[in-house]
Amino acid sequence: QVQLVESGGGLVMPGGSLRISCVTSEFTFSDHSMSWIRQAPGKGLEWVSHISSGGDITLYADSVKGRFTISRDNAKNSLYLQMNSLRGEDTAVYYCARDNIVVAGFWGQGTLVTVSS
Amino acid sequence: DLVMTQSPLSLSVTLGQPASISCRSSQSLVYSDGNTYLHWFQQRPGQSPRRLIYKVSNRDSGVPDRFSGSGSGTDFTLKISRVEAEDVGVYYCMQHTHWPWTFGQGTKVEIK
Repeated sequence: QVQLVESGGGLVMPGGSLRISCVTSEFTFSDHSMSWIRQAPGKGLEWVSHISSGGDITLYADSVKGRFTISRDNAKNSLYLQMNSLRGEDTAVYYCARDNIVVAGFWGQGTLVTVSS
Repeated sequence: DLVMTQSPLSLSVTLGQPASISCRSSQSLVYSDGNTYLHWFQQRPGQSPRRLIYKVSNRDSGVPDRFSGSGSGTDFTLKISRVEAEDVGVYYCMQHTHWPWTFGQGTKVEIK
């Protein structure tokens, strides 16, 4: 059974940084592209970033471009999102998702990032 | 950015009755490879989203056959043939033909 477990969320001040992680298991991580998708409290879903299976292709939403960096360590079966220059509007639950035929076939349980002073 | 517009935004349905959600995109979702990358997700209260339908009409593994997807170009529909209590939640359409990939606003389904 595919497992995606996010961690690293928490409270951070505006302008601060945070790195969240997604540890995966029960599948060959290096075979799959991965994404980060977020959901602000009480709001809808927003695609944040995507990375190819080999890590050579990355995509970012305009709202995070230049501030967030997606990466992966295929040896550790892990996906990361480095978030810098955080703003209040980045407050959200961040989900990692794995492709299955196409994008977002499997989702983790999410990790909450709160940006506030 | 490509805009995905769902309607209605809220739906109250009697158990056992059908439900239908519309999703319209501001551009055609047909990709250069001929595929249409329009998918549907369900988010039950307090849970992570779950994909139900991919590429317009393909049900994901474990999804009941009362869920079906249809459409083409810019107009798409998710249908639930007979609503059950476990179908309560918010449903989102999503496109990944054009970057940035975008979701609809969501349609909240409740039981009447």
